[in-house]
Amino acid sequence: RKEVEQDPGPFNVPEGATVAFNCTYSNSASQSFFWYRQDCRKEPKLLMSVYSSGNEDGRFTAQLNRASQYISLLIRDSKLSDSATYLCVVSLYSSASKIIFGSGTRLSIRP
Amino acid sequence: DVKVTQSSRYLVKRTGEKVFLECVQDMDHENMFWYRQDPGLGLRLIYFSYDVKMKEKGDIPEGYSVSREKKERFSLILESASTNQTSMYLCASSRKRPGQGDSTYSNQPQHFGDGTRLSIL
Repeated sequence: RKEVEQDPGPFNVPEGATVAFNCTYSNSASQSFFWYRQDCRKEPKLLMSVYSSGNEDGRFTAQLNRASQYISLLIRDSKLSDSATYLCVVSLYSSASKIIFGSGTRLSIRP
Repeated sequence: DVKVTQSSRYLVKRTGEKVFLECVQDMDHENMFWYRQDPGLGLRLIYFSYDVKMKEKGDIPEGYSVSREKKERFSLILESASTNQTSMYLCASSRKRPGQGDSTYSNQPQHFGDGTRLSIL
């Protein structure tokens, strides 16, 4: 089993729709969680950190479920510019080199 | 704004050559990382450094070495390039979490450079 797993997609949704991705992780000692977005042939860029209580940034909401070991990203009122690959990142706080990237979920927003 | 600069966007080299990839960050970050990204495999950590002259192996260090002589610069070296090292290479940096020891990396988010597409022929 992969340490961090994401549905690769692609998710193809109409503009204005709400879309959600999940990401599961295998190590219960994981401490930090992030969502990055990566545009085609570009570098990953931090979208948002994921906090235990859940957090929101505009149209984006991130949730953490420690019991079931997954994090989620919800995008409301999706825009064409949201088309990208979304990477889930999980890290162990005290273990060197244990920052694990998921393979990413590809999202395509159609007009 | 954090700036992580990689020396080349595209690079073509031949098998057996020694290849240097350079990365510079301007935010005085303690931690620097080298990843490679391949389709279907995601980002895989090659090496990281948490301080000048300090380095630790990541998940796939074989065939690579690194150098960190100055805080702002982290170099990745392919000792003898092979075709299976054709990939996208990404450098990242992050701040060390305050109060943490030297041997732990920070759980602060990473900032990436633009990437280097390296082709080994």
